[in-house]
Amino acid sequence: GNSVTQMEGPVTLSEEAFLTINCTYTATGYPSLFWYVQYPGEGLQLLLKATKADDKGSNKGFEATYRKETTSFHLEKGSVQVSDSAVYFCALSGHAGNMLTFGGGTRLMVKP
Amino acid sequence: DAGVIQSPRHEVTEMGQEVTLRCKPISGHDYLFWYRQTMMRGLELLIYFNNNVPIDDSGMPEDRFSAKMPNASFSTLKIQPSEPRDSAVYFCASRRTGFVNSPLHFGNGTRLTVT
Repeated sequence: GNSVTQMEGPVTLSEEAFLTINCTYTATGYPSLFWYVQYPGEGLQLLLKATKADDKGSNKGFEATYRKETTSFHLEKGSVQVSDSAVYFCALSGHAGNMLTFGGGTRLMVKP
Repeated sequence: DAGVIQSPRHEVTEMGQEVTLRCKPISGHDYLFWYRQTMMRGLELLIYFNNNVPIDDSGMPEDRFSAKMPNASFSTLKIQPSEPRDSAVYFCASRRTGFVNSPLHFGNGTRLTVT
Protein backbone atom coordinates (compact mmCIF):
# COMPACT_ATOMS: atom_id res chain seq x y z
CA GLY A 1 0.00 0.00 0.00
CA ASN A 2 0.90 3.67 -0.05
CA SER A 3 2.98 5.21 2.71
CA VAL A 4 4.78 8.45 3.50
CA THR A 5 7.77 8.83 5.81
CA GLN A 6 8.90 12.18 7.16
CA MET A 7 11.84 13.15 9.29
CA GLU A 8 11.07 13.23 12.99
CA GLY A 9 10.81 16.59 14.65
CA PRO A 10 10.91 18.97 16.18
CA VAL A 11 13.19 20.90 13.91
CA THR A 12 14.47 24.03 15.64
CA LEU A 13 16.08 26.78 13.57
CA SER A 14 17.06 30.38 13.99
CA GLU A 15 15.37 33.01 11.86
CA GLU A 16 16.83 33.27 8.32
CA ALA A 17 18.27 29.75 8.47
CA PHE A 18 17.86 27.27 5.61
CA LEU A 19 15.16 24.65 6.03
CA THR A 20 14.95 21.11 4.73
CA ILE A 21 12.28 18.64 5.81
CA ASN A 22 12.78 15.22 4.29
CA CYS A 23 9.90 13.20 2.85
CA THR A 24 10.03 9.85 1.09
CA TYR A 25 7.14 7.79 -0.16
CA THR A 26 6.10 4.34 -1.28
CA ALA A 27 3.33 4.10 -3.85
CA THR A 28 2.19 2.18 -6.86
CA GLY A 29 1.79 4.04 -10.09
CA TYR A 30 2.30 7.77 -10.32
CA PRO A 31 0.98 9.57 -7.27
CA SER A 32 0.57 13.29 -6.83
CA LEU A 33 2.54 14.75 -3.92
CA PHE A 34 1.59 17.49 -1.49
CA TRP A 35 2.85 19.47 1.46
CA TYR A 36 0.31 20.69 3.97
CA VAL A 37 0.95 23.06 6.87
CA GLN A 38 -0.87 23.21 10.20
CA TYR A 39 -0.59 26.35 12.31
CA PRO A 40 -1.46 26.17 16.02
CA GLY A 41 -5.16 25.71 16.65
CA GLU A 42 -6.02 25.34 12.98
CA GLY A 43 -6.67 22.63 10.44
CA LEU A 44 -4.24 21.64 7.72
CA GLN A 45 -3.97 23.79 4.63
CA LEU A 46 -2.32 23.07 1.31
CA LEU A 47 1.13 24.61 0.98
CA LEU A 48 2.24 23.25 -2.39
CA LYS A 49 1.84 20.30 -4.72
CA ALA A 50 3.47 18.47 -7.65
CA THR A 51 1.65 16.13 -9.96
CA LYS A 52 4.39 14.42 -11.98
CA ALA A 53 8.06 13.55 -11.85
CA ASP A 54 10.48 16.50 -11.88
CA ASP A 55 7.69 18.98 -11.18
CA LYS A 56 8.56 21.64 -8.63
CA GLY A 57 5.85 22.96 -6.37
CA SER A 58 6.36 26.33 -4.74
CA ASN A 59 4.50 28.75 -2.50
CA LYS A 60 5.41 31.41 0.08
CA GLY A 61 9.13 30.79 -0.47
CA PHE A 62 8.81 27.04 0.08
CA GLU A 63 9.76 24.59 -2.66
CA ALA A 64 9.68 20.84 -3.20
CA THR A 65 10.66 18.79 -6.26
CA TYR A 66 9.04 15.48 -7.18
CA ARG A 67 11.95 13.02 -7.48
CA LYS A 68 10.71 9.71 -8.79
CA GLU A 69 14.16 8.10 -8.89
CA THR A 70 14.61 8.62 -5.15
CA THR A 71 10.87 8.57 -4.30
CA SER A 72 11.30 11.83 -2.43
CA PHE A 73 9.60 15.20 -2.08
CA HIS A 74 11.75 17.20 0.32
CA LEU A 75 10.50 20.59 1.49
CA GLU A 76 12.96 23.50 1.42
CA LYS A 77 13.00 27.19 2.22
CA GLY A 78 15.99 29.44 1.91
CA SER A 79 15.28 31.73 4.86
CA VAL A 80 12.72 30.81 7.50
CA GLN A 81 10.77 33.27 9.60
CA VAL A 82 9.26 32.96 13.06
CA SER A 83 5.85 32.90 11.38
CA ASP A 84 6.80 29.64 9.62
CA SER A 85 6.62 27.82 12.95
CA ALA A 86 4.04 25.09 12.37
CA VAL A 87 3.65 21.38 11.70
CA TYR A 88 4.33 20.28 8.13
CA PHE A 89 2.77 17.19 6.57
CA CYS A 90 3.88 15.43 3.43
CA ALA A 91 1.11 13.54 1.61
CA LEU A 92 0.38 11.63 -1.55
CA SER A 93 -2.73 10.78 -3.48
CA GLY A 94 -2.88 7.45 -5.16
CA HIS A 95 -4.16 6.42 -8.57
CA ALA A 96 -7.78 6.64 -7.56
CA GLY A 97 -7.14 10.14 -6.33
CA ASN A 98 -9.81 9.94 -3.70
CA MET A 99 -7.73 9.75 -0.57
CA LEU A 100 -4.59 11.33 0.78
CA THR A 101 -1.99 9.32 2.67
CA PHE A 102 -0.26 11.59 5.18
CA GLY A 103 3.13 11.36 6.81
CA GLY A 104 3.47 11.74 10.54
CA GLY A 105 4.14 15.47 10.43
CA THR A 106 7.25 17.45 11.34
CA ARG A 107 7.08 20.29 13.82
CA LEU A 108 9.18 23.33 12.90
CA MET A 109 10.11 25.88 15.53
CA VAL A 110 11.82 29.07 14.40
CA LYS A 111 13.46 31.25 17.03
CA PRO A 112 14.09 34.97 16.58
CA ASP B 1 -16.16 31.04 0.84
CA ALA B 2 -16.77 30.35 4.53
CA GLY B 3 -14.55 27.30 4.58
CA VAL B 4 -15.30 24.03 6.32
CA ILE B 5 -17.14 24.73 9.55
CA GLN B 6 -16.92 22.41 12.53
CA SER B 7 -18.71 22.58 15.84
CA PRO B 8 -18.14 22.62 18.67
CA ARG B 9 -14.50 23.80 18.80
CA HIS B 10 -14.02 22.16 22.18
CA GLU B 11 -15.95 19.38 23.86
CA VAL B 12 -15.34 18.05 27.36
CA THR B 13 -17.40 15.10 28.45
CA GLU B 14 -17.35 12.24 30.90
CA MET B 15 -16.66 8.67 30.02
CA GLY B 16 -19.79 6.87 28.87
CA GLN B 17 -21.52 9.94 27.48
CA GLU B 18 -22.57 10.34 23.87
CA VAL B 19 -20.64 12.88 21.83
CA THR B 20 -21.72 14.35 18.48
CA LEU B 21 -19.37 16.34 16.31
CA ARG B 22 -20.71 18.38 13.41
CA CYS B 23 -19.37 19.50 10.09
CA LYS B 24 -20.55 21.74 7.28
CA PRO B 25 -18.43 21.26 4.14
CA ILE B 26 -17.74 23.90 1.55
CA SER B 27 -20.67 24.31 -0.80
CA GLY B 28 -20.19 22.34 -4.01
CA HIS B 29 -17.67 19.91 -2.54
CA ASP B 30 -18.74 16.33 -3.11
CA TYR B 31 -16.18 14.55 -0.93
CA LEU B 32 -16.16 14.76 2.86
CA PHE B 33 -13.57 13.22 5.16
CA TRP B 34 -13.34 12.74 8.92
CA TYR B 35 -9.84 12.56 10.45
CA ARG B 36 -8.60 12.12 13.99
CA GLN B 37 -5.30 13.59 15.20
CA THR B 38 -3.37 12.49 18.28
CA MET B 39 0.22 12.84 19.36
CA MET B 40 0.68 9.09 19.41
CA ARG B 41 -0.93 8.16 16.10
CA GLY B 42 -0.73 11.34 14.08
CA LEU B 43 -3.46 11.97 11.52
CA GLU B 44 -5.82 9.05 10.90
CA LEU B 45 -8.56 8.87 8.29
CA LEU B 46 -11.72 7.56 9.91
CA ILE B 47 -14.26 7.63 7.08
CA TYR B 48 -15.06 9.44 3.88
CA PHE B 49 -18.19 10.16 1.86
CA ASN B 50 -18.81 10.86 -1.80
CA ASN B 51 -22.10 12.52 -2.70
CA ASN B 52 -23.34 11.81 0.84
CA VAL B 53 -22.64 8.05 0.56
CA PRO B 54 -20.03 6.45 2.86
CA ILE B 55 -17.29 5.00 0.66
CA ASP B 56 -14.67 3.75 3.10
CA ASP B 57 -15.15 3.43 6.84
CA SER B 58 -12.26 1.06 7.46
CA GLY B 59 -10.60 3.64 9.67
CA MET B 60 -13.44 3.83 12.15
CA PRO B 61 -11.89 2.37 15.28
CA GLU B 62 -14.87 0.41 16.55
CA ASP B 63 -18.64 0.19 16.67
CA ARG B 64 -18.82 3.01 19.18
CA PHE B 65 -18.08 5.35 16.28
CA SER B 66 -20.65 6.19 13.61
CA ALA B 67 -20.85 8.87 10.94
CA LYS B 68 -23.70 10.14 8.82
CA MET B 69 -24.16 12.59 6.00
CA PRO B 70 -27.89 13.20 5.57
CA ASN B 71 -27.36 15.88 2.93
CA ALA B 72 -24.62 17.64 1.00
CA SER B 73 -24.18 20.37 3.59
CA PHE B 74 -24.02 18.48 6.87
CA SER B 75 -22.26 15.54 8.46
CA THR B 76 -21.98 14.19 11.99
CA LEU B 77 -19.52 11.94 13.77
CA LYS B 78 -20.96 10.29 16.85
CA ILE B 79 -19.19 8.42 19.63
CA GLN B 80 -21.37 6.39 21.96
CA PRO B 81 -20.29 5.60 24.60
CA SER B 82 -17.19 7.78 24.76
CA GLU B 83 -13.96 6.63 26.42
CA PRO B 84 -10.86 8.55 27.59
CA ARG B 85 -8.81 7.07 24.72
CA ASP B 86 -11.12 8.88 22.28
CA SER B 87 -9.60 12.19 23.39
CA ALA B 88 -8.16 13.80 20.26
CA VAL B 89 -8.69 16.55 17.74
CA TYR B 90 -11.23 15.56 15.11
CA PHE B 91 -11.04 17.22 11.72
CA CYS B 92 -13.53 17.37 8.92
CA ALA B 93 -12.30 18.09 5.41
CA SER B 94 -13.93 18.44 2.02
CA ARG B 95 -12.97 18.73 -1.62
CA ARG B 96 -14.39 18.86 -5.08
CA THR B 97 -14.02 15.93 -7.51
CA GLY B 98 -10.77 15.99 -9.45
CA PHE B 99 -8.16 15.74 -6.76
CA VAL B 100 -5.10 17.16 -8.41
CA ASN B 101 -6.65 20.52 -9.04
CA SER B 102 -8.82 20.53 -5.97
CA PRO B 103 -7.03 20.56 -2.64
CA LEU B 104 -8.43 19.16 0.56
CA HIS B 105 -9.91 21.91 2.75
CA PHE B 106 -9.85 21.29 6.49
CA GLY B 107 -11.96 22.76 9.23
CA ASN B 108 -10.33 24.02 12.41
CA GLY B 109 -11.19 20.84 14.26
CA THR B 110 -13.01 19.82 17.41
CA ARG B 111 -10.82 19.15 20.42
CA LEU B 112 -12.49 16.34 22.37
CA THR B 113 -11.54 15.56 25.95
CA VAL B 114 -13.14 12.57 27.63
CA THR B 115 -12.55 12.37 31.37
